[in-house]
Amino acid sequence: DAGVIQSPRHEVTEMGQEVTLRCKPISGHDYLFWYRQTMMRGLELLIYFNNNVPIDDSGMPEDRFSAKMPNASFSTLKIQPSEPRDSAVYFCASSLGTAPYFGPGTRLLVL
Amino acid sequence: RKEVEQDPGPFNVPEGATVAFNCTYSNSASQSFFWYRQDCRKEPKLLMSVYSSGNEDGRFTAQLNRASQYISLLIRDSKLSDSATYLCVVKGDRDYKLSFGAGTTVTVRA
Repeated sequence: DAGVIQSPRHEVTEMGQEVTLRCKPISGHDYLFWYRQTMMRGLELLIYFNNNVPIDDSGMPEDRFSAKMPNASFSTLKIQPSEPRDSAVYFCASSLGTAPYFGPGTRLLVL
Repeated sequence: RKEVEQDPGPFNVPEGATVAFNCTYSNSASQSFFWYRQDCRKEPKLLMSVYSSGNEDGRFTAQLNRASQYISLLIRDSKLSDSATYLCVVKGDRDYKLSFGAGTTVTVRA
C-alpha cells in the first residue's frame, strides 16, 4: 500500500511567488496534518483536518498561508506571497486517530 | 516552558552499547505518547507507542512515568543503523494536536 504522497519533493522559488504543496494521504485515513520543520524551530503543526474539515489552524503563521482539503484523498498547502523565511521542509501526515504516518516532505527554498 | 523537552545530545556510543534518554512533558493530562525516529533528510517514522506499563519492541524499551511526567527510550545492543534523531511525541487531552520534542541525536560508532 502506498504511503503518504507529496509533491513536489523540491521547490525553489523567488520571493513573492505563489507556492502550492500537494498531499495525498493514505487511503482510509481520516486525519490529515501539515507540519513544517526547520533547524531553529523543529517540527511545527500548521493545521490538521478531520474528515476533510479543518479542525485547528492555529499553527498557520499568517494570512499568507492557506490549506484546503476538497476530498478525502487530496490536500493542498498554499503560500502566497512566499518569503525567504518560509524556507523549510513541509511534511504532510495522515492517521486513523493514532500516531500519524508522514510523507517524504517537500523541501522549499524561497530566494 | 516548552510542552515537550528533550536532551538534544548527541549521544555517541560504540556498537553493542546500551543508550537511554528521556523526554519530559508539561501537560499532566496528556493521553498518548510515542517515539519517532528521523534519519537525516528523511521524514519522521513511528518507532513505537509508549504504554503506561512500559513496552518493548526488540532491542527498544519505552517507559512512561506519569508522576514525574517523563518518558524514556532505551536501546540495547546498539547497531550502526540506530544512528538517527529520536523524537518524543505527546498527544494532549483535548484534541488531536501532537507536540514534538526537538529530538535527541544518537550516533553509534563502529
